[in-house]
Amino acid sequence: EAGVVQSPRYKIIEKKQPVAFWCNPISGHNTLYWYRQNLGQGPELLIRYENEEAVDDSQLPKDRFSAERLKGVDSTLKIQPAELGDSAVYLCASSFGVYTEAFFGQGTRLTVV
Amino acid sequence: GENVEQHPSTLSVQEGDSAVIKCTYSDSASNYFPWYKQELGKRPQLIIDIRSNVGEKKDQRIAVTLNKTAKHFSLHITETQPEDSAVYFCAVYLYSGGGADGLTFGKGTHLIIQP
Repeated sequence: EAGVVQSPRYKIIEKKQPVAFWCNPISGHNTLYWYRQNLGQGPELLIRYENEEAVDDSQLPKDRFSAERLKGVDSTLKIQPAELGDSAVYLCASSFGVYTEAFFGQGTRLTVV
Repeated sequence: GENVEQHPSTLSVQEGDSAVIKCTYSDSASNYFPWYKQELGKRPQLIIDIRSNVGEKKDQRIAVTLNKTAKHFSLHITETQPEDSAVYFCAVYLYSGGGADGLTFGKGTHLIIQP
């Protein structure tokens, strides 16, 4: 069974440029998460989807971040414009639902210069 | 929202000894408590989890205990081996049927197994 797939694995951009990350969750998983992980820290939740509905986006900086999950499957996370402080690993995870194991993708390491 | 504190931030033990990592949480309605292991440059992976109706769960050398009254839970690793070296994260799932739900992670414990 394929796991959570993310792309790209690495991205280097100049500040003020836009960037987008893509996530393909495990088939059948209704819940999809986007997390940001800074070096030496735990993952911080940005947004959680139940199917195509964003049910928790309270930690998403909405002035520059946006996300969508069309048809309740794949999801994209966008930053526009990127700032130096956005450099981090962006992790996507999916699960069948509440109280169940969240499976993580390999992450996208973003470097803003 | 939920607040999760994890201690210690770094733990060094001799190979073969036991390691214990503790997490505390703030919301008594939290009801699912997984532990993840993350090796350098890799994704976090679940190693064990416990639900609020259970006090203890064991899987070979790994065990988790939950004290709902005190709002803390701990990861216990016995007979530690070099491959146990990694960063371990506790997490707490608060499900209230409304907002502020989801999986909140602690800041992590860097476990070092000394040969």
